[in-house]
Amino acid sequence: GAGVSQTPSNKVTEKGKYVELRCDPISGHTALYWYRQSLGQGPEFLIYFQGTGAADDSGLPNDRFFAVRPEGSVSTLKIQRTERGDSAVYLCASSLNPAAFEGYTFGSGTRLTVV
Amino acid sequence: QKEVEQDPGPLSVPEGAIVSLNCTYSNSAFQYFMWYRQYSRKGPELLMYTYSSGNKEDGRFTAQVDKSSKYISLFIRDSQPSDSATYLCAMRGQGGATNKLIFGTGTLLAVQP
Repeated sequence: GAGVSQTPSNKVTEKGKYVELRCDPISGHTALYWYRQSLGQGPEFLIYFQGTGAADDSGLPNDRFFAVRPEGSVSTLKIQRTERGDSAVYLCASSLNPAAFEGYTFGSGTRLTVV
Repeated sequence: QKEVEQDPGPLSVPEGAIVSLNCTYSNSAFQYFMWYRQYSRKGPELLMYTYSSGNKEDGRFTAQVDKSSKYISLFIRDSQPSDSATYLCAMRGQGGATNKLIFGTGTLLAVQP
């Protein structure tokens, strides 16, 4: 596609529920990133995929968070037993060649609200 | 202490003013320095990036990096109401297994017509 697509754009869930957030990167982009942006803060790194594998998952806050990218394109961020503190905008970004810096293209994010 | 510090603002200026946005950082390994613009309810959009120290100009925007002081700036000349947004600085080191960016908190800019 022309840009990074994230669905849903908004998600309201009850505390304790499971949610999945989807990211469809720019076609051909091998690198994919997930970030989380809380209100009034800058984005914070969660996980980086190169192809199908998670090259760096050091930003995932705990084992309730998991992400997959089974075919090297679409990625899903999964959050189990959601807590109110998980409320934030979850941003996905992709890039063509992570070795040569040219910046990422971000999607518009999924706004997750846990009530 | 955060690795990247940025004044959150808000900053309000009249149309046509010169705007100066700044970040400081503590990690001397940072080599790539970026400025992103984020409109409300949108993802960040890359404005400019600079490798190591120096200046870079693109139209009304100038990015400066002073690695000796661990200080980066973005200048906007002849500011327009359409420049009203949150400006995020971001940076990363060179190489390594990841390309994660460390962001500042963002500065909210309002340009008044």
